[in-house]
Amino acid sequence: SQKIEQNSEALNIQEGKTATLTCNYTNYSPAYLQWYRQDPGRGPVFLLLIRENEKEKRKERLKVTFDTTLKQSLFHITASQPADSATYLCALPLTGNTPLVFGKGTRLSVIA
Amino acid sequence: DTEVTQTPKHLVMGMTNKKSLKCEQHMGHRAMYWYKQKAKKPPELMFVYSYEKLSINESVPSRFSPECPNSSLLNLHLHALQPEDSALYLCASSQRGLAGAGELFFGEGSRLTVL
Repeated sequence: SQKIEQNSEALNIQEGKTATLTCNYTNYSPAYLQWYRQDPGRGPVFLLLIRENEKEKRKERLKVTFDTTLKQSLFHITASQPADSATYLCALPLTGNTPLVFGKGTRLSVIA
Repeated sequence: DTEVTQTPKHLVMGMTNKKSLKCEQHMGHRAMYWYKQKAKKPPELMFVYSYEKLSINESVPSRFSPECPNSSLLNLHLHALQPEDSALYLCASSQRGLAGAGELFFGEGSRLTVL
């Protein structure tokens, strides 16, 4: 069956370091993958979309990679700040015309 | 204006009550979604309306009844709910309907408590 796994439920890092979050999927061949940020009690906010023919995408301090051979996406936040503390969700469509399915998320805590 | 507005923000209801959650977007988006999210879990899809037609119903119990009166509005009618239905209900929209890649714009959610 199809599965999305985000490597850890929680990740603590020191301010200024690079946070790296992992999203693995099995039995999918998604055309794209998305990352969202969710703060407690609020709706998710879209961050980045990367397509299967793109290796890397950047937006300010954020970088996403997409390895369709490994079936893995890495999400990096460089020069992390306490304000980056949140839950980060990866999301994929099961097929081209189906809605997104979300991973369980990784709760990132950036410690000053 | 890039907002998806959900009302009410909080709702407490008894198991015999009938209530509705409302969602509105004015971005001209053609698909609207209801997701349910329990604590420390990811959002789970309930319904999708694409071009005002119900496209996906993820085997949701009939005590949840969606309605899309027009392209900007989405309602979720609630009746005879159970305590385990207590959750954050999220509305989202996307620009091009189900086909094609596109980001989801989420509202802030309606926190539902069923007593």
